[in-house]
Amino acid sequence: QAGLTQPPSVSKGLGQTATLTCTGDSNNIGLRGAAWLQQHQGHPPKLLSSRNNNRPSGISERFSASRSRNTASLTITGLQPEDEADYYCSAWDTRLSAWVFGGGTKLTV
Amino acid sequence: EVQLVESGGGLVQPGGSLRLSCAASGFSFSTSWMNWVRQAPGKGLEWVANIKEDGSEIYYVDSVKGRFTISRDNAKNSLSLQMDSLRAEDTAVYYCANWNYGWGQGTLVTVSS
Repeated sequence: QAGLTQPPSVSKGLGQTATLTCTGDSNNIGLRGAAWLQQHQGHPPKLLSSRNNNRPSGISERFSASRSRNTASLTITGLQPEDEADYYCSAWDTRLSAWVFGGGTKLTV
Repeated sequence: EVQLVESGGGLVQPGGSLRLSCAASGFSFSTSWMNWVRQAPGKGLEWVANIKEDGSEIYYVDSVKGRFTISRDNAKNSLSLQMDSLRAEDTAVYYCANWNYGWGQGTLVTVSS
């Protein structure tokens, strides 16, 4: 099943801002937005933002999500060493009746 | 605090069966869609199945249709995944997931002879 498109890697310095992108189409991101997850090596994914761009309890305000047409973005401000992880986006695809994922972006700080 | 705790994983031979369970707490389970998502070793995330709040709608990824069955018990805040006719390519960590509240720690399923 078709997936979302994410850049494989992004590298930024300490304290800088990183913006990760996720591109879909009008059947998924364009309709209801995307959720974002963070996964550190050897750990389970952690939900950072729901499709309506809300952060679950306990998620830092340094993480913010947005959407423009068929592209979702996750912005991380004031980068810290612990932000180094894989980041995945996901959206419900109404044509496939399935959740689809991006391939993940490895963020290096 | 939101908690999703999976159990039931293990080693099974090809063609065998396993039943995964997920115990949910800390949020309104009975009014939430629930999902199973898996991650093969060293790979990305793959959605497996989901079920509507009252069980009236269910969806599966093509590769598991006819082999896996998702179900829920709202009285027990519990989600299940019955996996039959297992294949080597089903080997993965399986996560119980809600897209608004969070994900569980996962349970490893290994299909091998």
